[in-house]
Amino acid sequence: NAGVTQTPKFRILKIGQSMTLQCTQDMNHNYMYWYRQDPGMGLKLIYYSVGAGITDKGEVPNGYNVSRSTTEDFPLRLELAAPSQTSVYFCASSYGQGLTYEQYFGPGTRLTVT
Amino acid sequence: AQTVTQSQPEMSVQEAETVTLSCTYDTSESDYYLFWYKQPPSRQMILVIRQEAYKQQNATENRFSVNFQKAAKSFSLKISDSQLGDAAMYFCAYRSGDGTASKLTFGTGTRLQVTL
Repeated sequence: NAGVTQTPKFRILKIGQSMTLQCTQDMNHNYMYWYRQDPGMGLKLIYYSVGAGITDKGEVPNGYNVSRSTTEDFPLRLELAAPSQTSVYFCASSYGQGLTYEQYFGPGTRLTVT
Repeated sequence: AQTVTQSQPEMSVQEAETVTLSCTYDTSESDYYLFWYKQPPSRQMILVIRQEAYKQQNATENRFSVNFQKAAKSFSLKISDSQLGDAAMYFCAYRSGDGTASKLTFGTGTRLQVTL
């Protein structure tokens, strides 16, 4: 199993451009999450999904959109990129909510907006 | 809202010695989970250890153990017999046990250096 994969690994965007960060998991997990990690900080939740067709906002959703058309995929869309969105983005997934259902993280995407 | 505080931005330990990383949290909930994650330079987030709030017994995973003080809302991580491979950022994280999606709230992290 590949686990959680993210593409691209690195990206530089100009202000105002748009892009989609891809996230795929092959573990048949119901729950998927997008976090961002700013320099010297912990991860903050952007959006999450409890199953295909269901998404909800996290702590810092402004400037982002998500969709969940399949169990495997959970893309994150940035519209009108801003320098404040320069960060490392992590996708994660888990099977359920109990303690034993740990979150598995992808390797992250480093995004720079200039 | 829950908050997680890690007051030690950096710590250093000699190889084979023991180090303790601090974490405090604030919550009004009685049912929750606590975690320590390790983030090496590769950026990969790796779960180190987990603790259920209703369990009084401290969790242990090989060289890693926690000191969970529920009344004090403290959740420290002890690394024994430190190894060079333990050098990384360590994040404390909180998750509510209220049945909502398993959203994690992270602290700001502690960078651990391991010296020879």
